[in-house]
Amino acid sequence: SQQGEEDPQALSIQEGENATMNCSYKTSINNLQWYRQNSGRGLVHLILIRSNEREKHSGRLRVTLDTSKKSSSLLITASRAADTASYFCATDASETGANNLFFGTGTRLTVIP
Amino acid sequence: DGGITQSPKYLFRKEGQNVTLSCEQNLNHDAMYWYRQDPGQGLRLIYYSQIVNDFQKGDIAEGYSVSREKKESFPLTVTSAQKNPTAFYLCASSYGTENTEAFFGQGTRLTVV
Repeated sequence: SQQGEEDPQALSIQEGENATMNCSYKTSINNLQWYRQNSGRGLVHLILIRSNEREKHSGRLRVTLDTSKKSSSLLITASRAADTASYFCATDASETGANNLFFGTGTRLTVIP
Repeated sequence: DGGITQSPKYLFRKEGQNVTLSCEQNLNHDAMYWYRQDPGQGLRLIYYSQIVNDFQKGDIAEGYSVSREKKESFPLTVTSAQKNPTAFYLCASSYGTENTEAFFGQGTRLTVV
């Protein structure tokens, strides 16, 4: 399977702290994306990082990508209670050329007010 | 408003029945996807379509069928051959090219009774 894996599976922090989630994947990629899912809802795209990029920022989000280690991290700074959700990384299947997205198992983040 | 719409939000099925889940998008996206999500799990790809009148099996296509007669629509039928259909089903669409994000519907929760 080309599915990635997030680490940790669950993370609980106090409001104002930073949250770091990691993602590992198996195949070569064109890009890696991070999505957020509130309970029982669809996924919302957060950020995309291309395979030739090493770091990307968007507001309180910082994503890094290490293609040599086939890993990525998502950092949420100054967390808020509203950041409570599940976070998934997704990679495309560059070897198949289909541009499908393969999702990891997710990190469940709880931000305690 | 542009977006991707799934219906119904909740669906109950008796064992042995086929049911069809609707997915419509007005984003002019070429690619559409169906994913299955089980509790506490990531998303697994059921079927995908890169263009009208063409679709391909994903990782867990057995017991499911799709059609893509129109660009805007990608309905998923859960057949009686699917042995464990109770799950959360998510439809997504994208431009279908590299380095583009996927837009998700709000999901359909299917329960077999």
